[in-house]
Amino acid sequence: AQSVAQPEDQVNVAEGNPLTVKCTYSVSGNPYLFWYVQYPNRGLQFLLKYITGDNLVKGSYGFEAEFNKSQTSFHLKKPSALVSDSALYFCAVRDYGGSQGNLIFGKGTKLSVKP
Amino acid sequence: GAVVSQHPSWVICKSGTSVKIECRSLDFQATTMFWYRQFPKQSLMLMATSNEGSKATYEQGVEKDKFLINHASLTLSTLTVTSAHPEDSSFYICSARAPTGDGNEQFFGPGTRLTVL
Repeated sequence: AQSVAQPEDQVNVAEGNPLTVKCTYSVSGNPYLFWYVQYPNRGLQFLLKYITGDNLVKGSYGFEAEFNKSQTSFHLKKPSALVSDSALYFCAVRDYGGSQGNLIFGKGTKLSVKP
Repeated sequence: GAVVSQHPSWVICKSGTSVKIECRSLDFQATTMFWYRQFPKQSLMLMATSNEGSKATYEQGVEKDKFLINHASLTLSTLTVTSAHPEDSSFYICSARAPTGDGNEQFFGPGTRLTVL
């Protein structure tokens, strides 16, 4: 069965410092991986996705993620964090078991960026 | 980009009443929509997959008679929580699969906060 794991419940970063939010995956075939961000009482906003191609994927708001097949990881990164980046981040993988292409989400990581 | 709306954004109802939540794709047609439920500080759990013109597919453990889903058109899916109880209080989020080139992108609505008294 497909799954994603986000090992950190919370990540604390000082503004201006680089940030990394970790995600590892387990899939039976080629992974379709996604990152979403959620602000309080809001729906999810798409950040980026990996389907095929370059291992470094660039997305919205200056975020990027690196696909690492050998480590089965898809960590989200940003070179310089902003206070406004504080939110809940979800890693997701496409569910191959479902015929409709729904997503399986990690538990989420709360990112807190302090001034 | 593709936009998905939900209405209402929040609703408070009495126990035993029914509540309908609408999910609309505003600038694209969505043959497939998904309904998720999110408890506080937890991840999204898929409740059901809604297909236009056919019955929804429910995930294991989700009561289809309690959570009625109707996908009557290519831009509208509705979730009706029937005979709501306090344990149904949650954040309900819909998403629609957009017709992107690789067909692998979902766009999410802003969510509906349901509180059952």
